[in-house]
Amino acid sequence: GAVVSQHPSWVICKSGTSVKIECRSLDFQATTMFWYRQFPKQSLMLMATSNEGSKATYEQGVEKDKFLINHASLTLSTLTVTSAHPEDSSFYICSAREDLIGRETQYFGPGTRLLVL
Amino acid sequence: QKEVEQNSGPLSVPEGAIASLNCTYSDRGSQSFFWYRQYSGKSPELIMFIYSNGDKEDGRFTAQLNKASQYVSLLIRDSQPSDSATYLCAVREGGSEKLVFGKGTKLTVNP
Repeated sequence: GAVVSQHPSWVICKSGTSVKIECRSLDFQATTMFWYRQFPKQSLMLMATSNEGSKATYEQGVEKDKFLINHASLTLSTLTVTSAHPEDSSFYICSAREDLIGRETQYFGPGTRLLVL
Repeated sequence: QKEVEQNSGPLSVPEGAIASLNCTYSDRGSQSFFWYRQYSGKSPELIMFIYSNGDKEDGRFTAQLNKASQYVSLLIRDSQPSDSATYLCAVREGGSEKLVFGKGTKLTVNP
């Protein structure tokens, strides 16, 4: 399957700082990437859909000014958590959609664990 | 609200047995169906996708889709302890880019 990377894999930061997470599709171009958040023992929650060259579409209840998404190229999307607080501590996972003729599939990155102190 | 339902489990099977995981969905316009495996502390890993009614086999895994009943399942033959994980069913809604995920079924394969 296609490979999606995320960086960093772990972040520990102080409350009030901003954290940037990168998501890259390594062996395919992804016009669409997705950002998810998962709290312990809970299911995946879609935060936003990121399309290359356009503004991200946020899910209801997700603050677009707090979670800044930039999809500047067909292989890179970034999520910046601005002014992070302890309640933002979570497992952030991106996925990238590979579009092939007659088939499209989403592949997940390995995730980024964010701990805000 | 469009939903994907899975039995949360836990589902426990002995090594070598067949594990059967089930999923129902509410949106009749759904086009694509996916099964992901998620080990504890890790991100989801794609196991199979299926688009057409019927069975699709890949190694020890078989996905079954019945659009009329709005039902998709995953069978794991010759279950191994390494198959112990949470299995997520995901459905792409018709006309949408998004996947709707079920809450997952936790599978334990006992040696």
